[in-house]
Amino acid sequence: DTAVSQTPKYLVTQMGNDKSIKCEQNLGHDTMYWYKQDSKKFLKIMFSYNNKELIINETVPNRFSPKSPDKAHLNLHINSLELGDSAVYFCASGTGEGQPQHFGDGTRLSIL
Amino acid sequence: AQSVAQPEDQVNVAEGNPLTVKCTYSVSGNPYLFWYVQYPNRGLQFLLKCITGDNLVKGSYGFEAEFNKSQTSFHLKKPSALVSDSALYFCAVRDTGNTPLVFGKGTRLSVIA
Repeated sequence: DTAVSQTPKYLVTQMGNDKSIKCEQNLGHDTMYWYKQDSKKFLKIMFSYNNKELIINETVPNRFSPKSPDKAHLNLHINSLELGDSAVYFCASGTGEGQPQHFGDGTRLSIL
Repeated sequence: AQSVAQPEDQVNVAEGNPLTVKCTYSVSGNPYLFWYVQYPNRGLQFLLKCITGDNLVKGSYGFEAEFNKSQTSFHLKKPSALVSDSALYFCAVRDTGNTPLVFGKGTRLSVIA
């Protein structure tokens, strides 16, 4: 069973479009995250949700809107896609003090 | 603010030789330190964690990490490298509570047969 699953794995689209990435975890974790990995492989937190509530929102453009319908799901919707949005987006989940986070395999977003 | 630094972009080692991937940190309080590995087109896999205070931490796949408080380092080590260890390695720090990870820039390890 996949612990953290993201769909789609690849997303190729044109500038200006709106797209969504879905994430689901079956680990029973309370907290879910979105990270962005840029072309230089640098990883940075975008959002963090705990029990469906937004707790961290780093300086991300408001074109990015996360939504958590329940604590097992955290989706990411992106409006008006720009060339600079091309990256790999990772979903992760975690729980408890000092416990490791578990990552999905990533969604590679390419903007044409 | 917590931060970690990985001074090497690339580490090359011959198969069977010991490997070290370096990480230094700048933290306040007692955060947690982690190592993750990323294989091509895959997510990050957890290798090991350290609660600041542990000197030597053993993790998955034969990896271990040496924590040195005076040098603020948390180097990843393995006694005998395998070609299959070739991947991108990330050091990360996390504050107390259920907070996000702060990652180093990553070090690409190449193990040559």
